[in-house]
Amino acid sequence: GENVEQHPSTLSVQEGDSAVIKCTYSDSASNYFPWYKQELGKRPQLIIDIRSNVGEKKDQRIAVTLNKTAKHFSLHITETQPEDSAVYFCAATYSGTYKYIFGTGTRLKVLA
Amino acid sequence: DTGVSQNPRHKITKRGQNVTFRCDPISEHNRLYWYRQTLGQGPEFLTYFQNEAQLEKSRLLSDRFSAERPKGSFSTLEIQRTEQGDSAMYLCASSASGRENSPLHFGNGTRLTVT
Repeated sequence: GENVEQHPSTLSVQEGDSAVIKCTYSDSASNYFPWYKQELGKRPQLIIDIRSNVGEKKDQRIAVTLNKTAKHFSLHITETQPEDSAVYFCAATYSGTYKYIFGTGTRLKVLA
Repeated sequence: DTGVSQNPRHKITKRGQNVTFRCDPISEHNRLYWYRQTLGQGPEFLTYFQNEAQLEKSRLLSDRFSAERPKGSFSTLEIQRTEQGDSAMYLCASSASGRENSPLHFGNGTRLTVT
């Protein structure tokens, strides 16, 4: 079925610590995995993405890893800052289509 | 600003009324998506277009919902006989076409409140 599970639903970390958010998808044909950040009252915005032919991608303090065998991918944020506080969504494309299914979101709170 | 534009930003309507929302995608983007988001949840897929063709519609979507993209540019989403359960943020997104998937660019959404 079309399903993307995301954990945890809430995450609190101290400023400077790392945060990890994990997602699991069900369709082995999924080949593109974007991550979005949504601040309160604003639109979701892409922060990083990864394709199925790559195992890891990094952009400054943000990295994403993909395990195709286990069908899960993770977002890693290092040296967290208060402005990282937001809701993060993972997504996966489905069955060779251009449809994106989103996870349920993780509310990240970075404590100063 | 050449981002995705949605109108109106807010809509309050009474149960049973029809509403229509508009989305103008990024001009060079051929794919256009509609999602619905309720508080504390991720965007829920409704439908998407490639140019003027509606390629998929969610099985969960009631027949009261219909979307069009007649000239392959802007799109409208209509909800007939609105119900209180339709209250949500309706997000439009667009993406570039091509053989590979490309990121969705979201609009600011239309917040619907059904009283």
